[in-house]
Amino acid sequence: IAGITQAPTSQILAAGRRMTLRCTQDMRHNAMYWYRQDLGLGLRLIHYSNTAGTTGKGEVPDGYSVSRANTDDFPLTLASAVPSQTSVYFCASSESSNQPQHFGDGTRLSIL
Amino acid sequence: GQNIDQPTEMTATEGAIVQINCTYQTSGFNGLFWYQQHAGEAPTFLSYNVLDGLEEKGRFSSFLSRSKGYSYLLLKELQMKDSASYLCAVLDSGYALNFGKGTSLLVTP
Repeated sequence: IAGITQAPTSQILAAGRRMTLRCTQDMRHNAMYWYRQDLGLGLRLIHYSNTAGTTGKGEVPDGYSVSRANTDDFPLTLASAVPSQTSVYFCASSESSNQPQHFGDGTRLSIL
Repeated sequence: GQNIDQPTEMTATEGAIVQINCTYQTSGFNGLFWYQQHAGEAPTFLSYNVLDGLEEKGRFSSFLSRSKGYSYLLLKELQMKDSASYLCAVLDSGYALNFGKGTSLLVTP
């Protein structure tokens, strides 16, 4: 079944540790996105990529990095996790930036 | 900056009609999306408006007025499974999707 896959589903992480959240899509979508969703704040864009080889900063990029080496994969890295990065992280993709975005099932990340 | 407002919570009765409003002030406009999100799940796409007017898709309709910075999502013949959060999102001039905080809809018997 075509779609977008995130891993892990959930993770508990000690502060200061490095963590990479994985995201893979098989729809050959050009654009991919990472959001965090926090209670009372809604979905906020962390980083995006309009096409393989390019990335851009969203609303809340600090403390996160991304790469887009190919069309399918868009990993999100927390270089040194802090408790304020406790959140639900959603990866999404779309054919282009003005098309509907399709979301993965999310990663629930707790930083202690 | 971006400002997207929608009611925090709404309650409606099974079988009824409910209208969820969204007002926005953003840096440019390239379309407005509505998403549905059930608790603990991913958002799923419902509708897209880029021109003024009403878009109908089954029990769901979405309306846009660009001059007023206003949209609404209309849900007809409400079912219990429609209990969810409804997210209004605006695509700005840089093609970034800006989400409102969502409206939590509770459908009661």
